[in-house]
Amino acid sequence: DGGITQSPKYLFRKEGQNVTLSCEQNLNHDAMYWYRQDPGQGLRLIYYSQIVNDFQKGDIAEGYSVSREKKESFPLTVTSAQKNPTAFYLCASSIDSRSSGANVLTFGAGSRLTVL
Amino acid sequence: AQKITQTQPGMFVQEKEAVTLDCTYDTSDQSYGLFWYKQPSSGEMIFLIYQGSYDEQNATEGRYSLNFQKARKSANLVISASQLGDSAMYFCAMRDALDSNYQLIWGAGTKLIIKP
Repeated sequence: DGGITQSPKYLFRKEGQNVTLSCEQNLNHDAMYWYRQDPGQGLRLIYYSQIVNDFQKGDIAEGYSVSREKKESFPLTVTSAQKNPTAFYLCASSIDSRSSGANVLTFGAGSRLTVL
Repeated sequence: AQKITQTQPGMFVQEKEAVTLDCTYDTSDQSYGLFWYKQPSSGEMIFLIYQGSYDEQNATEGRYSLNFQKARKSANLVISASQLGDSAMYFCAMRDALDSNYQLIWGAGTKLIIKP
């Protein structure tokens, strides 16, 4: 079955360390996204990519970095510059990102990062 | 600036009753899309229903329907005959071109608990 795989599901990090969250999709979708979710808040967009080797900053990109070397993969690195990284991170994909129509996002199961 | 407002942080509903989850939005664009997603305790976001701004009929998907009142900028989700498995967080989201460059803007969510 097609879908999105995020790993790890849980991750603990010491302050000052970089960590990378994996996101892989086999849906043949062009667009991929990373969102951050904090309690009591809606999802906030970190980065998105419309095509391989291209990505755009979202609303809260500071302290994060991404790469899109393959269509299937969109890893997110949470750097030590991110001041409050403890959160739930969701990866998603869609056929494309440049439409106001029914461009439905498919999500992974998420990764919960805790900074100790 | 565009905005999504979900005024109900939490709701308790008796099993088999219908439930309405509120969502109001704000955009100056004429072309936009409205989405509802469900997030069970497992964390994955699940797409439920979509309404386009030019759609004349309210969207329906099985037990889900969207009560779209364009003049009031309201897009409430109606779940008929609620089930225990409907207990989850529910998020309303909007996409337009003018302000969000086609990226989804999310509400803060409503936690729905179905009582047996």
